[in-house]
Amino acid sequence: EVQLLESGGGLVQPGGSLRLSCAASGFTFSSYAMNWVRQAPGKGLEWVAAISGSGGTTFSADSVKGRSTISRDNSKDTLYLQVDSLRAEDTAVYYCAKGSSSWYNDYWGQGTLVTVSS
Amino acid sequence: EIVLTQSPGTLSLSPGERATLSCRASQSVSSYLVWYQQKPGQAPRLLIYGASNRATGIPDRFSGSGSGTDFTLTISRLEPEDFAVYYCQQYGGSPFTFGPGTKVDI
Repeated sequence: EVQLLESGGGLVQPGGSLRLSCAASGFTFSSYAMNWVRQAPGKGLEWVAAISGSGGTTFSADSVKGRSTISRDNSKDTLYLQVDSLRAEDTAVYYCAKGSSSWYNDYWGQGTLVTVSS
Repeated sequence: EIVLTQSPGTLSLSPGERATLSCRASQSVSSYLVWYQQKPGQAPRLLIYGASNRATGIPDRFSGSGSGTDFTLTISRLEPEDFAVYYCQQYGGSPFTFGPGTKVDI
């Protein structure tokens, strides 16, 4: 059974940083792309970043480009998202999602809430 | 960036009725389009990939069609558990954008 467990969310001050983690199990982690998707309270889904199975290819949304890093440790079956210079508009539930044979997501974690506020 | 537009914003229907949801892309995404269902407090669930292929375990009352810029998700007969928000997403090229969603409610 595929399981994705996000952690690292919480209350962060504007201008601060955070590192989200996603522990994966139930599949061969290194064989699949992974994504981060976020959802602000009461809003729709926003794709944030993606990384290939090897980690050699990454993409990110303009909203976080230059202040975020997606990475993975295939020896630990873990996905990461580092976001710096946090703003109020980064407040959202952040979902980790498993890529399928392409860049879309076939399994999702339950999400971790990030609140950016003073 | 490819912009996805979904219509209508809200669809008010009754159980047993047919639901037709639209997703339009600002430029061609070929068949690189998926549909997700999201219920309150839950993570999204994959319904359709490649514009018309049902994901594992998805009932056959859900069907997808279209290619290029115009796509449709059809729910042939609404069940009570189908009342939710539906999002389309394109994966033809980064950024892998989502549509704003269509809420299907009673």
